[in-house]
Amino acid sequence: EIVLTQSPGTLSLSPGERATLSCRASQSVSSSSLAWYQQNPGQAPRLLIYGASSRATGIPDRFSGSGSGTNFTLTISRLEPEDFAVYYCQQSDSSYIFGQGTKLEIK
Amino acid sequence: QVQLQESGPGLVKPSQTLSLTCTVSGGSISGGSYYWSWIRQPAGKGLEWIGRIYISGSPNYNPSLKNRVSMSIDTSKNQFSLKLSSVTAADTAVYYCARFYWFFDLWGRGTLVTVSS
Repeated sequence: EIVLTQSPGTLSLSPGERATLSCRASQSVSSSSLAWYQQNPGQAPRLLIYGASSRATGIPDRFSGSGSGTNFTLTISRLEPEDFAVYYCQQSDSSYIFGQGTKLEIK
Repeated sequence: QVQLQESGPGLVKPSQTLSLTCTVSGGSISGGSYYWSWIRQPAGKGLEWIGRIYISGSPNYNPSLKNRVSMSIDTSKNQFSLKLSSVTAADTAVYYCARFYWFFDLWGRGTLVTVSS
């Protein structure tokens, strides 16, 4: 079974700063199968990035995804107050597996 | 605009069967090449995929739950359903239904199911 490990577990930053979130797979996954989601408290996850680097409909261009193989990254170029949330990566190459999440909190 | 809505009991007794339904509105459950899934999230924890079903063919389940899970789809009602048997406190979670096409692009708001006597 593929395991996705996200780091860091918690990231403390200030609005306006750049955030870099990592997702590492235990074995290579296809870029087409890698997605990122944002979850705010009490809400369902929301699709941000699919195919490792394509933004979902309505997602601001400050969000970008990159990577291939076993290493993937979600970057938020300039943090807005509404970006502080929990982020999950997910792959669908082998079953549907989510990472454990990265909490992005206000410093 | 397609929307998903979960429904079902919020409280289930241990050893009983959890039953939830997801209603698809604003579009046909048979339209497009979508898989319909259930995902759960215990309080303060991460997301766990439970299973998926297509309008035709056999459903697929998370191996860790396979012996207790069954899913079905009713195209006439535009609904799909989840049954999880022999529940324990470890099955207490928010249960989401979601649409999948290479990624989960549409989610219901989730429903909390508590397993307790």
